[in-house]
Amino acid sequence: AQSVAQPEDQVNVAEGNPLTVKCTYSVSGNPYLFWYVQYPNRGLQFLLKYITGDNLVKGSYGFEAEFNKSQTSFHLKKPSALVSDSALYFCAVEGGGYSTLTFGKGTMLLVSP
Amino acid sequence: DAGITQSPRHKVTETGTPVTLRCHQTENHRYMYWYRQDPGHGLRLIHYSYGVKDTDKGEVSDGYSVSRSKTEDFLLTLESATSSQTSVYFCASTLKPSTGELFFGEGSRLTVL
Repeated sequence: AQSVAQPEDQVNVAEGNPLTVKCTYSVSGNPYLFWYVQYPNRGLQFLLKYITGDNLVKGSYGFEAEFNKSQTSFHLKKPSALVSDSALYFCAVEGGGYSTLTFGKGTMLLVSP
Repeated sequence: DAGITQSPRHKVTETGTPVTLRCHQTENHRYMYWYRQDPGHGLRLIHYSYGVKDTDKGEVSDGYSVSRSKTEDFLLTLESATSSQTSVYFCASTLKPSTGELFFGEGSRLTVL
């Protein structure tokens, strides 16, 4: 069965600094990987995905993610963090029947002014 | 944003009572999902549907049932609510599950006393 690990419960970064939110995965076959963001009292919103092709994937709001097959990682990155980026971030991998997604436990990103 | 709404948004009930949560989408999406979100567990799949009257179990389906009589509606029922089912429930839908781009509702917060 597929699984996703987000090793950090919380990441703190100052505004303007680069940020990284880590994700590692386990899946048989080629991985389909995703990042979602959740703002307080809201549902999740899709950020970006890796299906195939370039290892650096660009998504919404200036976020990007780097796929590394040898390290089985899919870390979320942004060159310059904004206070408004503060939210809960989920990594997910596709697998199971009808391409259901398995989510990680989430990482809270706090960007300080 | 995709038109996906959940009702009720908040509910407090007592142990042993039946509860039904409703998910309604106006996007004509074939695939619909119910997840629960709990601290330390992220999102876990309860049930999903791949068409009218076609449903299947997810990771944490015990104590839950679902029904899909129309494309736009996906109901989640707790036949006899327990305190362990206190959670935030999210519905999601997609036209193409292979893309991994799920559209989420705003969530239903259920408290079982």
